[in-house]
Amino acid sequence: EAGVAQSPRYKIIEKRQSVAFWCNPISGHATLYWYQQILGQGPKLLIQFQNNGVVDDSQLPKDRFSAERLKGVDSTLKIQPAKLEDSAVYLCASSLEGAADTQYFGPGTRLTVL
Amino acid sequence: DAKTTQPPSMDCAEGRAANLPCNHSTISGNEYVYWYRQIHSQGPQYIIHGLKNNETNEMASLIITEDRKSSTLILPHATLRDTAVYYCIRYNQGGKLIFGQGTELSVKP
Repeated sequence: EAGVAQSPRYKIIEKRQSVAFWCNPISGHATLYWYQQILGQGPKLLIQFQNNGVVDDSQLPKDRFSAERLKGVDSTLKIQPAKLEDSAVYLCASSLEGAADTQYFGPGTRLTVL
Repeated sequence: DAKTTQPPSMDCAEGRAANLPCNHSTISGNEYVYWYRQIHSQGPQYIIHGLKNNETNEMASLIITEDRKSSTLILPHATLRDTAVYYCIRYNQGGKLIFGQGTELSVKP
């Protein structure tokens, strides 16, 4: 069974630029999550989708971050404009149905903002 | 607020059992104890979870005290590939996974 796929694996941008990350969840998984992991800390949930609807985006900085999950499969997380403090690993995870199911994580995208 | 307490780091000799403690003294009745680990440069990986009873799977065993205020994750025969950060998480199924700082386990030859 293929795991959660993410791209790119690494991205370096300058502050005020825009960046987008892509996630393809495990086939058949209805729930998709985006996490932010700052160096030395545990992952922090940014947004949770159930199919193509948003369940929880309370921790998403909506002035600069946006996410979508078209057709309930792939998802894109965008940052526009990026700040230095956005340097982190962005992790995508998916689960079969909802939050009660085990979450499977992708390898993450490491973002460096200069 | 992760609401669990774990030692920041531990060492273990290869082939020996690794016992990782976690304190969750304010856990409520409907919260499970979940363990994930994160190997360097990878995403977190689910290990095991439990509510009241001890649990065992192919990766590890989870021992939860009778009062549910603490638990221990046991890796019975640690290998170098078990070197990772281990997260103990209180989880109300249907809520959010809230990761703390975890325990950095170093397995040494």
